[in-house]
Amino acid sequence: GENVEQHPSTLSVQEGDSAVIKCTYSDSASNYFPWYKQELGKRPQLIIDIRSNVGEKKDQRIAVTLNKTAKHFSLHITETQPEDSAVYFCAASSSGYSTLTFGKGTMLLVSP
Amino acid sequence: EAGVAQSPRYKIIEKRQSVAFWCNPISGHATLYWYQQILGQGPKLLIQFQNNGVVDDSQLPKDRFSAERLKGVDSTLKIQPAKLEDSAVYLCASNPPMNRYEQYFGPGTRLTVT
Repeated sequence: GENVEQHPSTLSVQEGDSAVIKCTYSDSASNYFPWYKQELGKRPQLIIDIRSNVGEKKDQRIAVTLNKTAKHFSLHITETQPEDSAVYFCAASSSGYSTLTFGKGTMLLVSP
Repeated sequence: EAGVAQSPRYKIIEKRQSVAFWCNPISGHATLYWYQQILGQGPKLLIQFQNNGVVDDSQLPKDRFSAERLKGVDSTLKIQPAKLEDSAVYLCASNPPMNRYEQYFGPGTRLTVT
């Protein structure tokens, strides 16, 4: 089955800095890669996703890049703000039934 | 549109007791998922339904966990008997028929087994 590794497990940045979270996956058949943000005690919420036919996608301050050859994808957050503080999860979907395998998460702390 | 509903939000039980969780997905969402999220980890899929049929239950501990979605709408997840290691948040998610990848999560049920 699919295996998703996520790094780092914790990331502390100053407000205004950029943050990068990296994930690798094992199944070359995976074709969908979402990122979820989960605030303390809240449900995971989809913030951006990318499909295997695209190398990069941007949405305001967040962007995701995908390298299919190397089987890794990354989340980039620019101009970080304290409200970006949360746990971020990457995931990959390789089955025809849209099953997601999640990484273990990265706790991002943005200090004012 | 209303979100995914789950109940109860919190449950505390003793080991060896049984417990059931309920989920009502977003109207029209045919696919429903149950995840287990242990503290400090990502969600792990337990079971996936397409309408009222099981698509994937390979990670469901079938000796103690069961789930059903009899009418293809709401679903229940049961644990009997519970173990200490079952303490986790149980998340329900669903996705719309036109986008089989984007999953919408419910608020979850936090289970504590003592």
